[in-house]
Amino acid sequence: GAGVSQSPSNKVTEKGKDVELRCDPISGHTALYWYRQRLGQGLEFLIYFQGNSAPDKSGLPSDRFSAERTGESVSTLTIQRTQQEDSAVYLCASSWRLAGSTDTQYFGPGTRLTVL
Amino acid sequence: AQSVTQPDIHITVSEGASLELRCNYSYGATPYLFWYVQSPGQGLQLLLKYFSGDTLVQGIKGFEAEFKRSQSSFNLRKPSVHWSDAAEYFCAVGARGGGFKTIFGAGTRLFVKA
Repeated sequence: GAGVSQSPSNKVTEKGKDVELRCDPISGHTALYWYRQRLGQGLEFLIYFQGNSAPDKSGLPSDRFSAERTGESVSTLTIQRTQQEDSAVYLCASSWRLAGSTDTQYFGPGTRLTVL
Repeated sequence: AQSVTQPDIHITVSEGASLELRCNYSYGATPYLFWYVQSPGQGLQLLLKYFSGDTLVQGIKGFEAEFKRSQSSFNLRKPSVHWSDAAEYFCAVGARGGGFKTIFGAGTRLFVKA
């Protein structure tokens, strides 16, 4: 695709509900990243995928968070039993190869999650 | 551990004035360094990046940044600011040698006054 896309753009949910956030990376990009950006703060790294594999999940804030990627394309970030502190913008990025190489990460517009 | 500090939460400059946004990093070796801009309602866009070589890096939109190893700094500069430069700016550091994490600073919000 032309760029990284994310859906939905906005999500309002009630505390305790599960939510699923979707990321479509740029076609052909093997690396995909999820970040969280709380209001007025910088980006917090959550998880990355190399292909369909996520070698290190230690950045996920709690076991309520999980992510998967299929077909080296679409990725979903799932938050179970949402809490108010989960309210943030969730950003997805992709790159041709892994960060730590010289490849640029291209970011999507984000999903703004509000937990009431 | 890697860390990035952007000392200024927000900066206001007049249109046409020069700009310098500060960034200090902590890393055990020479890192990869990046500056991103986030405009209202838009995603993050890479302005420039430093990997090696010339310590003065040119980016898009007339921005440049200078890597100073002795000061662990990577400050962003622009000689003449335009109103459209008003945005949030993030400095980031990435690990060399196969590391995958890019650590972002908290950001500096730039306001431009007429």
